[in-house]
Amino acid sequence: DAKTTQPNSMESNEEEPVHLPCNHSTISGTDYIHWYRQLPSQGPEYVIHGLTSNVNNRMASLAIAEDRKSSTLILHRATLRDAAVYYCILRDVGGGSNYKLTFGKGTLLTVNP
Amino acid sequence: SAVISQKPSRDICQRGTSLTIQCQVDSQVTMMFWYRQQPGQSLTLIATANQGSEATYESGFVIDKFPISRPNLTFSTLTVSNMSPEDSSIYLCSVGQGGWDEQFFGPGTRLTVL
Repeated sequence: DAKTTQPNSMESNEEEPVHLPCNHSTISGTDYIHWYRQLPSQGPEYVIHGLTSNVNNRMASLAIAEDRKSSTLILHRATLRDAAVYYCILRDVGGGSNYKLTFGKGTLLTVNP
Repeated sequence: SAVISQKPSRDICQRGTSLTIQCQVDSQVTMMFWYRQQPGQSLTLIATANQGSEATYESGFVIDKFPISRPNLTFSTLTVSNMSPEDSSIYLCSVGQGGWDEQFFGPGTRLTVL
């Protein structure tokens, strides 16, 4: 599986936007970029995913570089509930990889009141 | 979507014993996965539980240590055998389905081995 690189930690203030970066320079053409987050004492939850175009949903936006070697998860207005570990994961949907997810270390986001 | 429950939610066990963790889903799903999360670490995939056949284990995990059952499309068990303190972790079940964009995770089972 292609690897991702994320900062170990980031800090934000409540109500401000947060940009969480992810580098994936060895991404292949069949890799989707997925983001999950893990709130304290909970299992991970899906945030968003994309292939080439920028994506928006009710939780966040995903900005993907034109060469697809990096992406940025954008939380438009951070709340205290957004404090979590955010994982950027490449999921290969070609070649029968059975959709398994390979988690890296992720970014610990702290949100200050 | 899918709602997943796990039993037990936590347990404290003695070394040398075994614990079976159950994962129940509220709908039929094709894929079920078992992960381990050691203290302060990220998630590591243990195996994919296949309905009607043996589980597919990741490198570093073996069936004798982590036997898995998948009797139907809504249920799976993971057994942690002959436990040692190094097995103290959170064990999580997740499910996926062809055509779904996301996987859903259970709340986890927190295991402490003394």
